[in-house]
Amino acid sequence: AQSVTQLDSQVPVFEEAPVELRCNYSSSVSVYLFWYVQYPNQGLQLLLKYLSGSTLVESINGFEAEFNKSQTSFHLRKPSVHISDTAEYFCAVGKGGSQGNLIFGKGTKLSVKP
Amino acid sequence: EAEVAQSPRYKITEKSQAVAFWCDPISGHATLYWYRQILGQGPELLVQFQDESVVDDSQLPKDRFSAERLKGVDSTLKIQPAELGDSAMYLCASSSGRLNEQFFGPGTRLTVL
Repeated sequence: AQSVTQLDSQVPVFEEAPVELRCNYSSSVSVYLFWYVQYPNQGLQLLLKYLSGSTLVESINGFEAEFNKSQTSFHLRKPSVHISDTAEYFCAVGKGGSQGNLIFGKGTKLSVKP
Repeated sequence: EAEVAQSPRYKITEKSQAVAFWCDPISGHATLYWYRQILGQGPELLVQFQDESVVDDSQLPKDRFSAERLKGVDSTLKIQPAELGDSAMYLCASSSGRLNEQFFGPGTRLTVL
C-alpha cells in the first residue's frame, strides 16, 4: 500500500530565509508525486508535480521539488520565502491507472515571520 | 479559467439533521472525487466517480453517507443523520483522468453542533 509521510507538522521561518518541507513516500510501483498548497478556509491548489523526466520540478512562484527514487523522497524547497507563502502544504502520491487516487500526507504548516 | 464549484461554502447544522453538499466539476472532467479533511489532517478520499459510476467508495460510511452523480456531471454528497464527528471540510475535486492531476473546489466547511 502507498503512504506519504510529512516529517514536520509545523515549520516557522523568517522572511527571506530558505525553507525545506520534507516528504517521504512508500510505494512498490511507479508513482506520480504532487505538492498542493492550502490557504485558510480554501481548497487545495496544485503547486507542482513530478510525472516523469527531469527529477527537479519547479513552480511559477519559486518553489522547487526534487524526486529522489533511492531515498523515496520529494522534498519541497524555496531559497527565499515571503510572508505570502504562509499556508499549509500537502505532499501527495498517486499511482496512476484507471483509479487515479491520491494519498495525501498530513500536511506541513509553513509560518513565515517578518 | 475553469474551476470546480462547490456549495454551500459553510454549513452549520445540529446533530441528527440531514445535510447535502453540491459539486460541479470542471467541464469535461469524467472523474470526480469527494474528500473529507479533518482539521489538522490531509484530505481522505470518501468516494470516486468515473462518469456516473462509483469507482471507489470503500471509505464512505454508508450507514449515513450517500453520494450520487446521476448524469455524470455534477454531484451531491449527503449525510443523514449528521454526527458531531462529521465536522470537517468536504472537498470536491475533478480530473480528466490523466496522470492523477486533480483540481479542487473551495470546499464546504461543515460544523455539527
